[in-house]
Amino acid sequence: GENVEQHPSTLSVQEGDSAVIKCTYSDSASNYFPWYKQELGKGPQLIIDIRSNVGEKKDQRIAVTLNKTAKHFSLHITETQPEDSAVYFCAASYNQGGKLIFGQGTELSVKP
Amino acid sequence: EAGVTQFPSHSVIEKGQTVTLRCDPISGHDNLYWYRRVMGKEIKFLLHFVKESKQDESGMPNNRFLAERTGGTYSTLKVQPAELEDSGVYFCASSPGTSGPQETQYFGPGTRLLVL
Repeated sequence: GENVEQHPSTLSVQEGDSAVIKCTYSDSASNYFPWYKQELGKGPQLIIDIRSNVGEKKDQRIAVTLNKTAKHFSLHITETQPEDSAVYFCAASYNQGGKLIFGQGTELSVKP
Repeated sequence: EAGVTQFPSHSVIEKGQTVTLRCDPISGHDNLYWYRRVMGKEIKFLLHFVKESKQDESGMPNNRFLAERTGGTYSTLKVQPAELEDSGVYFCASSPGTSGPQETQYFGPGTRLLVL
């Protein structure tokens, strides 16, 4: 069935360092890959997404890469700041209906 | 523009009781989704409405869960009778429904349900 694996489950970095979170998906029909950030007490918020016809997308300090052959995609955050501390979820979807299949989440802690 | 809202924010009930969660999507959004996160695990899909119709309810765990979206606006998710394993955070999300299934889904803050 559809499955998304996310690693690591926790990640601690020093302010200014880079953080990388990796996800793999099982359904080769998946063609949409959003990343969500969830802060304490709030719902997940979309931070960046990528579609299967693109290999990389960047938005300021955040970038996402996609390798369709290997069925994995990654989130890269550069120059991390304490306010980047949150739980990050990757997800995958395909054309039928749009339901998202989420990874297990990564708790990122950025230490000042 | 108001975001997705959910009520209540927290609910503590005893096993066997009934709880009804409500979601108000962003105004004008045709797609409404329910998801659940149990005990620090992944967020799992429950079901998807397009306007008032159930498009996909493959994620509903069992017949103790009933979702409705009368009139195609707000939605309710009723759990009756609640069991201990139903504890978790229930999220609602909505998307416009105008540009295909790869639209951004906007999430509400969630309802934290604890069944004792």
